[in-house]
Amino acid sequence: GAGVSQTPSNKVTEKGKYVELRCDPISGHTALYWYRQSLGQGPEFLIYFQGTGAADDSGLPNDRFFAVRPEGSVSTLKIQRTERGDSAVYLCASSLFEGATGELFFGEGSRLTVL
Amino acid sequence: AQSVAQPEDQVNVAEGNPLTVKCTYSVSGNPYLFWYVQYPNRGLQFLLKYITGDNLVKGSYGFEAEFNKSQTSFHLKKPSALVSDSALYFCAVRDGNNFNKFYFGSGTKLNVKP
Repeated sequence: GAGVSQTPSNKVTEKGKYVELRCDPISGHTALYWYRQSLGQGPEFLIYFQGTGAADDSGLPNDRFFAVRPEGSVSTLKIQRTERGDSAVYLCASSLFEGATGELFFGEGSRLTVL
Repeated sequence: AQSVAQPEDQVNVAEGNPLTVKCTYSVSGNPYLFWYVQYPNRGLQFLLKYITGDNLVKGSYGFEAEFNKSQTSFHLKKPSALVSDSALYFCAVRDGNNFNKFYFGSGTKLNVKP
C-alpha cells in the first residue's frame, strides 16, 4: 500500500492476556519504529529496527514487551501478560535510511485497551 | 539529555489571524527539528523539517517554522489561520549524534474559531 498500515486498529483485551500488534511499513523503507502514545501525551519511543535487527530497543518498558521484524519488512509488537497501564495507542512509523535527516511516516495506530 | 518542550497545551486563534505554536528543544549534537500534525483518530502527518541552511523553513498547508539556535527554539507559524488547521501539533527533535530516536513534545492543541 501507499502508507504505513497497522492492524488491528482497535484491540480490547483482559488483564493478563497476550497481544500482538502488526505493522506493514512503506515498501522500500528500511527503518521501522514503534512508539507509544498515552492520552494527552506525545509519542514515546519504544524500539527502532534497521532491516531485520533491532538497532535500539532502549525504550521498551520491561521484558513483557518484545518486537520482531524477521524479513526486514513487516514488524510485530508483542505484549505478554498485559496490564491496565499498557492501554495506549501504539504507533508504527517507517523511513528511508537517510541518517538524521529523514522524516518518519506514521500509521494510524493500534489503540489497545486492557480491561 | 535530549528533550522537547511545548509550553502551551492549547492555543486559540481566530480564523484569518496569524498563529504561532511554540517549541524549544535540548540536544547534545546538531538538532534536526520536525513538526507533525495529528487530526482526531489519525496518525501523525509530517509538516516540515529543519536540517540545515535557511532558518525559515516552509512546509505543507502554508505552515512555516523558524529555527533560532541561540534560543533553541523552532516555533511553528502560519500567517492566516483556517478553521481546518484545528488539530494537535507535535514538535520533535532528532539528535545528530544519536539519530535512532525522535523525541516528541507533549503536543499543543490548536483551536481556530470562525
